[in-house]
Amino acid sequence: DIVMTQSPDSLAVSLGERATINCKSSLSVLYSSNNKNYLAWYQQKPGQPPKLVIYWASTRESGVPDRFSGSGSGTDFTLTISSLQAEDVAVYYCQQYNSIPYTFGQGTKLEIK
Amino acid sequence: QVLLVQSGAEVKKPGSSVKVSCKASGGTFSSYGLNWVRQAPGQGLEWMGVVIPMFGSANYAQKFQGRVTITADESTSTAYMELRSLRSDDTAVFYCARGGGYNSSDPFDLWGQGTMVTVSS
Repeated sequence: DIVMTQSPDSLAVSLGERATINCKSSLSVLYSSNNKNYLAWYQQKPGQPPKLVIYWASTRESGVPDRFSGSGSGTDFTLTISSLQAEDVAVYYCQQYNSIPYTFGQGTKLEIK
Repeated sequence: QVLLVQSGAEVKKPGSSVKVSCKASGGTFSSYGLNWVRQAPGQGLEWMGVVIPMFGSANYAQKFQGRVTITADESTSTAYMELRSLRSDDTAVFYCARGGGYNSSDPFDLWGQGTMVTVSS
């Protein structure tokens, strides 16, 4: 199984500041035949299901503000929120969907400082 | 607009079974993968398995193999997840989520609202 490890486990950032969450996979999730990274980021607010934010490591889902961006390739990935807003407080999960079993990181709790 | 609507909360005794449904409305059902994800209270997301309704066969996480069955009924656009031999640590919210279909791997772009299953004597 591909193990996904996020860092940090929790993060407190001031409003308007940058938030950065890292995700590392135990095996590459880059599929060489199409040069795509099978890596997604989800946002989950209390009492709600997860919401897809970023897929293919760097493609924003429709409707997601452009302050959210994803980067990385192979085994190392980053989710960046360029200017934190109050509504961004949530737990963020990375996920590999390259191979079954699809696996999630343990989550990073993002709070306001 | 496609929606995934799950069945309501359940309270079960240890050793019993639970069957949760996930009905898709407003769009194509058969060609996508319907995944099930478990989230224990205060914990992270755990993938359980997936079924592609068009083909009927399912794949499961090894952790749940033998204890879970995921099926789909194309005629009603409904997927089901049955978990047997319930234990107290199965208490969780169970989500269905739409992902990739046959020969394609895609992110989970659509989620059900979640079904809380409580296992208690």
